Amino acid sequence: GIQVEQSPPDLILQEGANSTLRCNFSDSVNNLQWFHQNPWGQLINLFYIPSGTKQNGRLSATTVATERYSLLYISSSQTTDSGVYFCAVEQFGSWGKFQFGAGTQVVVTP
Amino acid sequence: DSGVTQTPKHLITATGQRVTLRCSPRSGDLSVYWYQQSLDQGLQFLIQYYNGEERAKGNILERFSAQQFPDLHSELNLSSLELGDSALYFCASSVLPSGGNEQFFGPGTRLTVL
Repeated sequence: GIQVEQSPPDLILQEGANSTLRCNFSDSVNNLQWFHQNPWGQLINLFYIPSGTKQNGRLSATTVATERYSLLYISSSQTTDSGVYFCAVEQFGSWGKFQFGAGTQVVVTP
Repeated sequence: DSGVTQTPKHLITATGQRVTLRCSPRSGDLSVYWYQQSLDQGLQFLIQYYNGEERAKGNILERFSAQQFPDLHSELNLSSLELGDSALYFCASSVLPSGGNEQFFGPGTRLTVL
């Protein structure tokens, strides 16, 4: 099956800092999503982005499908950005089977 | 609020028992997915249903089974429970069965097996 690797595994930021999270995948995908799991365990949709670039407020994401990676960019981080960020992909041909990365644990300090 | 509901929120039971987790998808979504999140295994895809039929299977144990009913809600049945089944179980839904659409997750059911 497809391998999904996220880096870095852990990130500590001071409030106001910017950061970039990376998701590498080993095969072609027809679906890629970024999620934020907050400290209460809820999985919140950030982006549906199998290719291209999207922006939503302080967050933006870029997927370069031909090079098999996606980036999530957090600008002017806030303490509410703390949590785990997951990348999930659906491998081309493995319809409906989503593979999650191990996540990036982000802690934003005041 | 994603629009996906799951009940119960918490469940505590003993080894060897059987439990049922319930999920209602977002209005208009025909596809339902089940995931297990544990500390050692991360988020694992279990099974997917689309309009009442099983469409994809992941790392689902034989002791686990699921179904999707005509009203589109889904149930995940876990039997002969073991300590290692303690985890957060998520349901997600989407409009289409694969590709080209977003999944939305429910709040999860936290299962503790004692």
